[in-house]
Amino acid sequence: EAGVAQSPRYKIIEKRQSVAFWCNPISGHATLYWYQQILGQGPKLLIQFQNNGVVDDSQLPKDRFSAERLKGVDSTLKIQPAKLEDSAVYLCASSLNQGGYEQYFGPGTRLTVT
Amino acid sequence: GNSVTQMEGPVTLSEEAFLTINCTYTATGYPSLFWYVQYPGEGLQLLLKATKADDKGSNKGFEATYRKETTSFHLEKGSVQVSDSAVYFCALRDLYNNNDMRFGAGTRLTVKP
Repeated sequence: EAGVAQSPRYKIIEKRQSVAFWCNPISGHATLYWYQQILGQGPKLLIQFQNNGVVDDSQLPKDRFSAERLKGVDSTLKIQPAKLEDSAVYLCASSLNQGGYEQYFGPGTRLTVT
Repeated sequence: GNSVTQMEGPVTLSEEAFLTINCTYTATGYPSLFWYVQYPGEGLQLLLKATKADDKGSNKGFEATYRKETTSFHLEKGSVQVSDSAVYFCALRDLYNNNDMRFGAGTRLTVKP
C-alpha cells in the first residue's frame, strides 16, 4: 500500500513570496490533515478535511494560509505572503475516517523562508 | 485547552540501558493517548496507543500505560538498541472535540553502542 505522498520535499523562498505544497493521501482515506512542525516543537494541526469539507481550521492563520481539497482526494496548502516564522516542516497525514482511526504521516515538506 | 508535556531531551543512553520518557497531559474530556516515533530522515510513525484509562500500549519492546489518576503516559523500554535512536512524540486525541490532536515537543533519544 502506497503511503502519503508530499511534494516538494524542500523549498527555499524569500519572505513575502508565495509557496504551495501538495499532498496525496492514502487511497480511500476520507480524512486529511495538515500540520506545521517548527524546529524543536511537536506538530501543530493547521487544518482537517473530511472528504472535501473542512472539519477544523481553528489554528490556520487565515490571513496568509489557505488550503483546499476540491475533489476529496489531493490537497494543497498555500502560504501567501510568507514570513520568516513560517519556516517549518509541513506534514500531511491521512486516516480512513474521523474518530479513532490511525493517522498516517507523509515525509513532510521542509520550508525555509529567508 | 488540551495539551501535552513531555520530558525535555536530548536523552543519551548506552545500549541495553532502561529507557523512560515522561509524558503528562491536560484534557477536558477522555482522550486517546499515543506515542509516535520519527527516525532520522523519515516521517512520523505510530509506535503505540491506549484509548482508555489503565490500558497498556506496547510495540517493539516499548510500552506505556494510560494513567488517568496522574494524567500520564510514560514511555518505557527495558533494553534499548542503537536502532531505537530517534525522536519520540507523545500525543493525545480528543474524539469529542473535532478529533483535536495535540503533540508534545518531542524527545530526542540517542543510543550509543
